[in-house]
Amino acid sequence: ETGVTQSPTHLIKTRGQQVTLRCSSQSGHNTVSWYQQALGQGPQFIFQYYREEENGRGNFPPRFSGLQFPNYSSELNVNALELDDSALYLCASSLGGGTRDTQYFGPGTRLTVL
Amino acid sequence: KQEVTQIPAALSVPEGENLVLNCSFTDSAIYNLQWFRQDPGKGLTSLLLIQSSQREQTSGRLNASLDKSSGRSTLYIAASQPGDSATYLCAVLRGSGGGADGLTFGKGTHLIIQP
Repeated sequence: ETGVTQSPTHLIKTRGQQVTLRCSSQSGHNTVSWYQQALGQGPQFIFQYYREEENGRGNFPPRFSGLQFPNYSSELNVNALELDDSALYLCASSLGGGTRDTQYFGPGTRLTVL
Repeated sequence: KQEVTQIPAALSVPEGENLVLNCSFTDSAIYNLQWFRQDPGKGLTSLLLIQSSQREQTSGRLNASLDKSSGRSTLYIAASQPGDSATYLCAVLRGSGGGADGLTFGKGTHLIIQP
């Protein structure tokens, strides 16, 4: 059984560019949540996907968007990057819609915006 | 709006000591509470999950308690080891447990166990 994987590990972009981050959920899990963790802060909920539909969203602007594919892997897209988007982006998978069960987190993607 | 606070922000203790990390939350209408561990630059590892109807959960040297009415949880680590050094995060899920809210995290307690 493979755990949650994310790619790439690190990424450097410039302000105004667009970025796509990828997440493969743990085997058998159909729910993926994305979080943003700024340095020295706790993670903040961006959104969640359940069976290819957005199931919930935190306080993030529309330039943060996502997709979930039939194999339950997921993408996080961020348009018009800003300096404050520099953070560790974490995805978490679980079984069943919602966040009732234990969340299994990936290692994260470190995004730096210059 | 749910807010989660963790005290202390940082803690350094000698190996072998028992220690307690504290977490408080402002809205007692939670579905569950989870404790996570995060190593530097890495993802989160779930340690314990306590449902709102439960008072405590135990796993090995770790014991987490929950007092929902007072908005508090503690993580007790027995016989600490250098390998316990990490940042410990507390997170709550509000209300019905649906996907709309996600987890609300505290900023964490940075723990160092001195050999």
